[in-house]
Amino acid sequence: QQQVKQSPQSLIVQKGGISIINCAYENTAFDYFPWYQQFPGKGPALLIAIRPDVSEKKEGRFTISFNKSAKQFSLHIMDSQPGDSATYFCAARSPRQETSGSRLTFGEGTQLTVNP
Amino acid sequence: KAGVTQTPRYLIKTRGQQVTLSCSPISGHRSVSWYQQTPGQGLQFLFEYFSETQRNKGNFPGRFSGRQFSNSRSEMNVSTLELGDSALYLCASRSSGRIGTDTQYFGPGTRLTVL
Repeated sequence: QQQVKQSPQSLIVQKGGISIINCAYENTAFDYFPWYQQFPGKGPALLIAIRPDVSEKKEGRFTISFNKSAKQFSLHIMDSQPGDSATYFCAARSPRQETSGSRLTFGEGTQLTVNP
Repeated sequence: KAGVTQTPRYLIKTRGQQVTLSCSPISGHRSVSWYQQTPGQGLQFLFEYFSETQRNKGNFPGRFSGRQFSNSRSEMNVSTLELGDSALYLCASRSSGRIGTDTQYFGPGTRLTVL
């Protein structure tokens, strides 16, 4: 119930192409869905996030599409650049309680390579 | 503002030893969470601290423990190290403990190798 499934495990895209990473979840109580970008030797950095009452959110070249009924969400990177080459993680937050805090459940990660 | 800092960045220990990792959150952040990252298991939640209290705990054995100090700095301890504890340990801080706010900022991690 707490799992988040991410695909593909790795993705190779040409410069200027569209990168698409998909995630699916089971727990309908998740209330916040962030995407993180991680470069080698660095910690994950928040890229973009969405709440389940919104179907799409766009920030620059990055777009999250959210399908609540299908319990799926995806990250689209438009005009992909070599500098986008990194590992991408989707995540889902358990509903926060005042005394019990909250936690993020992460997908397995996608290694994105953008060829010049 | 300085980001989340973690010390040490790299650590090599042998089986059976114990280790303490340190995390300094972003100034003003009172919530600190710890995650373990391994190639096989990905990113897994260890625990969260807020105002020196553990508020949430993941599914890790009791060998993994933590604490938070009054200045919000946090430490994580692993006792009786096992080979499988080799991982990148990430600390993340959040700006508020209140429901409705949630941007976690991660540190660079401590790479622990158990021999």
